Amino acid sequence: EVQLVESGGGLAQPGRSLRLSCTSSGFNFGDYAMSWVRQAPGKGLEWVGFIKSKARGGTTEYAASVKGRFSISRDDSKSVAYLQMNSLKTEDTAVYYCARDRLIYYFESGNSYDYYYIDVWGKGTTVTVSS
Amino acid sequence: DIQMTQFPSSLSASVGDRVTITCRASQGISNYLAWFQQKPGEAPKSLIYSASRLQSGVPSRFGASGSGTDFTLTISSLQPEDFATYYCQQYNTYPLSFGGGTKVEI
Repeated sequence: EVQLVESGGGLAQPGRSLRLSCTSSGFNFGDYAMSWVRQAPGKGLEWVGFIKSKARGGTTEYAASVKGRFSISRDDSKSVAYLQMNSLKTEDTAVYYCARDRLIYYFESGNSYDYYYIDVWGKGTTVTVSS
Repeated sequence: DIQMTQFPSSLSASVGDRVTITCRASQGISNYLAWFQQKPGEAPKSLIYSASRLQSGVPSRFGASGSGTDFTLTISSLQPEDFATYYCQQYNTYPLSFGGGTKVEI
């Protein structure tokens, strides 16, 4: 069974750091891109960022609201994705979900175009930023 | 950045009703659109990808269509377990973006 389990959430003061982990099982983690999505209390879903598989370059993309403060990495040997959150703000308070991404790609004029959609979600971990 | 607008933001329906939710992108996204369902206190669940393709295990009463800027999610006969909030998401262009959600309630 495919599973994603987030951990590392908790209470942090503004300006401090926190690192979330997403531990996977039931699939070959290294073959997949992984995303982070968050949901502030009573609000909708907000895309945070994602990391491609190493085979597709291992590159990352981020939302403007977290760019420069958050970073995503992966350890394929441990089947874990990480979200390093620095310079935390009160508005970062949310449930953080990790998710597995499936790849759609096609070739045109010698170029490869990659698109990723989420198919599996973890249950989430809560981050509260407060003094 | 691409803005995703869903409407209505909420709707009331009964078991057995046909329900349609609309999602509009601020610019064309081809068919790179997904739909998710979220029940209170739970993680989202993936329903649809590529605008109209059902994820594995999703009941056939869920259908979706659209391309470009306008998309719809339809539940052909609402069941008790379908009362939830539904979100669309574009994955055509970074940063990716979600719609604001549509709450389907009794």
